Amino acid sequence: NAGVMQNPRHLVRRRGQEARLRCSPMKGHSHVYWYRQLPEEGLKFMVYLQKENIIDESGMPKERFSAEFPKEGPSILRIQQVVRGDSAAYFCASSAGTALFEQYFGPGTRLTVT
Amino acid sequence: AQKVTQAQTEISVVEKEDVTLDCVYETRDTTYYLFWYKQPPSGELVFLIRRNSFDEQNEISGRYSWNFQKSTSSFNFTITASQVVDSAVYFCALSEFGQGAQKLVFGQGTRLTINP
Repeated sequence: NAGVMQNPRHLVRRRGQEARLRCSPMKGHSHVYWYRQLPEEGLKFMVYLQKENIIDESGMPKERFSAEFPKEGPSILRIQQVVRGDSAAYFCASSAGTALFEQYFGPGTRLTVT
Repeated sequence: AQKVTQAQTEISVVEKEDVTLDCVYETRDTTYYLFWYKQPPSGELVFLIRRNSFDEQNEISGRYSWNFQKSTSSFNFTITASQVVDSAVYFCALSEFGQGAQKLVFGQGTRLTINP
């Protein structure tokens, strides 16, 4: 059973470009969480999605960031007009259900903005 | 709001020494989970343990052990007879429930270096 997959593993973007990060949850999982890890810091929650629905986006920056989890295909975290401060590791986690189900983390995408 | 404090930013020990990583948490929930993750230099997150708030029994897994004390809101992690491969950043995390989600609140991490 494949684990959570994220791609690309490394992404370099120039300031002002768009970054698209993909997360394929574990088979059978329909709940996805995105976390961001800034350099030398712990992970911080960004957004929680179920298929076709954003449930909690309380950790998402108000501008330039968006997330989706379509009926078919991976979850996408999209960052428009990237700035240097967006450089971070972005982790996705999936679970089989709500609250009490365990989360499984992907390997992360390391975004570098030059 | 939930909070996790890992007061030790960096620890450096010599191989074979025992080392304890501290974790103190704050929560108003009566039901919660506590976690430890390891992040080696390669960058992925490696799950180590999940502990339910109702289970205060200490846990041992090989050279790893965890001491959960609700009275002091602490969930400390001890590595016995440390090895160079234990070098990593270790994160303690706490669950935060809301809107059907279990968001994890992470501490700042402790960078552990095991010297040969």
